[in-house]
Amino acid sequence: DVQLVQSGAEVKEPGESLKISCKGSGYSFSTYWIAWLRQMPGKGLEWMGIIYPGDSDTRYSPSFQGQITISADKSISAAYLQWSSLKASDTAIYYCARHRIGGATKSDLDIWGQGTVVTVSS
Amino acid sequence: EIVLTQSPGTLSLSPGERATLSCRASQSVSSSYLAWYQQKSGQAPRLLIYGAFSRATGIPDRFSGSGSGTDFTLTISRLEPEDFAVYFCQQYGSSLPYTFGQGTKLEIK
Repeated sequence: DVQLVQSGAEVKEPGESLKISCKGSGYSFSTYWIAWLRQMPGKGLEWMGIIYPGDSDTRYSPSFQGQITISADKSISAAYLQWSSLKASDTAIYYCARHRIGGATKSDLDIWGQGTVVTVSS
Repeated sequence: EIVLTQSPGTLSLSPGERATLSCRASQSVSSSYLAWYQQKSGQAPRLLIYGAFSRATGIPDRFSGSGSGTDFTLTISRLEPEDFAVYFCQQYGSSLPYTFGQGTKLEIK
């Protein structure tokens, strides 16, 4: 089965750092863009950025540029989303999702991870 | 950045009825790069429709998409109990970032 499995829920304090993961299986991970999306409590979906694991080409939404870092390790079929200094407003569910059209930057998202709940509170 | 506005915010219907959900873009969505997703409570979104009208793998044919330019529609021909959920549209034809509508909640009347 083609799937993306994300790391577990995190509870952090403001100012702490965090790195969450998304591991793919059942397909050629290196050849499909992976997107990261945010869903704040009770809200809609926000597109944060994408990465091509084959060469780590990364694109960010202007809204998230400088606030997050997206990376990948194709040798273990994993993508990552990290923060250097969390804020309470980073509290949300974070999803990774695969571009349906592998090598295309313009694509819908056909495979989704289960989501990682991040809670930032003092 | 293209803004997508979905209407209505909430749609109350009964099983067996027809649902029509709208997604309007602030500017034309090129090449009909418009997708629809379904999200049930506590779950990740699921791709329903891509390219404005193509059903994703495994999606029942009661789901259909239409439209072009700035106006797009998701139609569910006969509602099943499992169809009651939140639906999002997304455009991916513009320069980044790709954007989502705010969602339509389809609830049981």
